[in-house]
Formats: sequence, structure tokens, C-alpha cells
Amino acid sequence: GNSVTQMEGPVTLSEEAFLTINCTYTATGYPSLFWYVQYPGEGLQLLLKATKADDKGSNKGFEATYRKETTSFHLEKGSVQVSDSAVYFCALTTGNQFYFGTGTSLTVIP
Amino acid sequence: EAGVAQSPRYKIIEKRQSVAFWCNPISGHATLYWYQQILGQGPKLLIQFQNNGVVDDSQLPKDRFSAERLKGVDSTLKIQPAKLEDSAVYLCASSLDEGGFGKNIQYFGAGTRLSVL
Repeated sequence: GNSVTQMEGPVTLSEEAFLTINCTYTATGYPSLFWYVQYPGEGLQLLLKATKADDKGSNKGFEATYRKETTSFHLEKGSVQVSDSAVYFCALTTGNQFYFGTGTSLTVIP
Repeated sequence: EAGVAQSPRYKIIEKRQSVAFWCNPISGHATLYWYQQILGQGPKLLIQFQNNGVVDDSQLPKDRFSAERLKGVDSTLKIQPAKLEDSAVYLCASSLDEGGFGKNIQYFGAGTRLSVL
């Protein structure tokens, strides 16, 4: 079946630190991959996506590369800010169903 | 443009009571989704509408959950009767596309937090 596994949180970083949140997936067929972000008190927002192998999604300084050989879609940012504090969800779809990971909470301290 | 609107934001009920949630998607969005997000878990799709028809309700517990989107615009999700395990955040999302999750972006509302006592 299809599933998404994210690294467990919470993650606490100092401002300007490097961020990696790991995400691996299991899927039949050729999934599209997503990162969503949920700021406190708000709904989920699409952060970035990649629809085929070797694609790199990027937005707001965040990047993730679709790695078919390792079935991974790790989220990275070179220098985090306090405003990046949120819960991050990795997700996939094969066109019929949408699967979310359990979320990783990130807190950035000044 | 206005985002996805949901109400109420919070609801507390006792088990065996009934509850309803409302969602108004972004204007012009053909597809509407209801998700259940239990604390510590990712959102799980309950039902997907395309206009006023159901595309997928395979994970909707139909013995107690129902949903409708009568005019292809706003939608209501109902639980009757509620159980303790229904405590969760219920998220509504909409997208412009008429098929295929990977083709268009889903826009989420802020959710309704339900506590069943």
C-alpha cells in the first residue's frame, strides 16, 4: 500500500541553523510528492511539490528533491527563521488517494 | 481572494450526541475534501466531492458520518451519534481541478476542533 513516514519531532533549532526533515514513502505507481506547512491556528498550506523523479520543489528558501532510488523527499532549508516555526507534513498522491505523514513540529528559537 | 471558510472553530459535545460542521470553499473550486486529523497524526481523507457528486468516500464511516454538497458549493459534514474516538480536527479543503490530486493545489480551511466527552 501507499504510506509516508516522517522523522519524529519535535525539532528545535536556533535561528540561522540548517534544517532537514526526513521523509520517505512507499507507493505503487508514480506518486506526486508534497510538503505542507501548518502554522499555529491556521490550515495547511502547500509549501512545495514535485511530480516526477529528480524534480526539485522549492519555495520560501525550502527545497526538496524527489529521489526515486531512495524513495525519499527530504525537506531542507539553509537558514531557518523564527517565522518558520510550524508543523510540516510530507504527503503523496498516486492520483486516487492522498496520504499524509504524521507531521514534524519545528520550533526555531532566536 | 477569500480562503476556505469553516465553522464552528471549536465544538464540545458528549458522546452519542450529534454534530455538524460547515465548509464554504474558495469560489469556483470544483473539488471539495473533508479530512479528519487526530492529534499526533496526519490528516486522513474522509470524502471527496467533485461539484455536487461524491468521488471517493471509501474511508468515511458511513454508519455514523454523512456529508453533502447539495448545490456544488458549500458542504456539511455530520456525525450522528458521536463517539469518543471522533475527537479530532476536521479539515475542509478545496481545489480548482476536476480530477487528480497531483495536478492542482488543495487549499485548506483552519479546521473545526471537535472534543467528544
